[in-house]
Amino acid sequence: AQSVTQLGSHVSVSEGALVLLRCNYSSSVPPYLFWYVQYPNQGLQLLLKYTTGATLVKGINGFEAEFKKSETSFHLTKPSAHMSDAAEYFCAVSDRSGNTGKLIFGQGTTLQVKP
Amino acid sequence: KAGVTQTPRYLIKTRGQQVTLSCSPISGHRSVSWYQQTPGQGLQFLFEYFSETQRNKGNFPGRFSGRQFSNSRSEMNVSTLELGDSALYLCASSPQLGDTQYFGPGTRLTVL
Repeated sequence: AQSVTQLGSHVSVSEGALVLLRCNYSSSVPPYLFWYVQYPNQGLQLLLKYTTGATLVKGINGFEAEFKKSETSFHLTKPSAHMSDAAEYFCAVSDRSGNTGKLIFGQGTTLQVKP
Repeated sequence: KAGVTQTPRYLIKTRGQQVTLSCSPISGHRSVSWYQQTPGQGLQFLFEYFSETQRNKGNFPGRFSGRQFSNSRSEMNVSTLELGDSALYLCASSPQLGDTQYFGPGTRLTVL
């Protein structure tokens, strides 16, 4: 069965500092990988996804993530945090079979950005 | 294109009642999925529909049900509400089964 682990339920950075949110997955076959962001009282917004090809994926708002098969990781980074980045971030996986788009989510990481 | 829309956005019910939530997918999207989000359990998959057929179901009791219509719109129903059903219910749509999912704003259900 697939599972996702996000290390650190809360991460706090200063404005302008590097953002690093960690995600590890467990799956018998490398899955599709996603990062979503949720702002207060809103739904989930897709930041980026990895399906195939280049393992470094660029997303919206300056975020990127790198798929490392050997480490079963898909960590999210941003070189310089903005106050507007404060939100909850979810890593998710889905099966490659094409028979389902069902997402399995990690528990989420709340990012706090200090001025 | 308009995004996924969910109605109502907020709902208050009492224990034992039933509730129906509605989801309109992005135009042209044929697959709809539902998720429950709670502080304790996080985001959990409820069901997935494609071409009016339930394709996958999560580990929820039979009180949770859903359907999809020929225009791809979907509804989910929860009968005999319990306090623990209080949650944010999120709908997501995708062009085809297995494609990337795009989420709506959710319906916040409070059970008193």
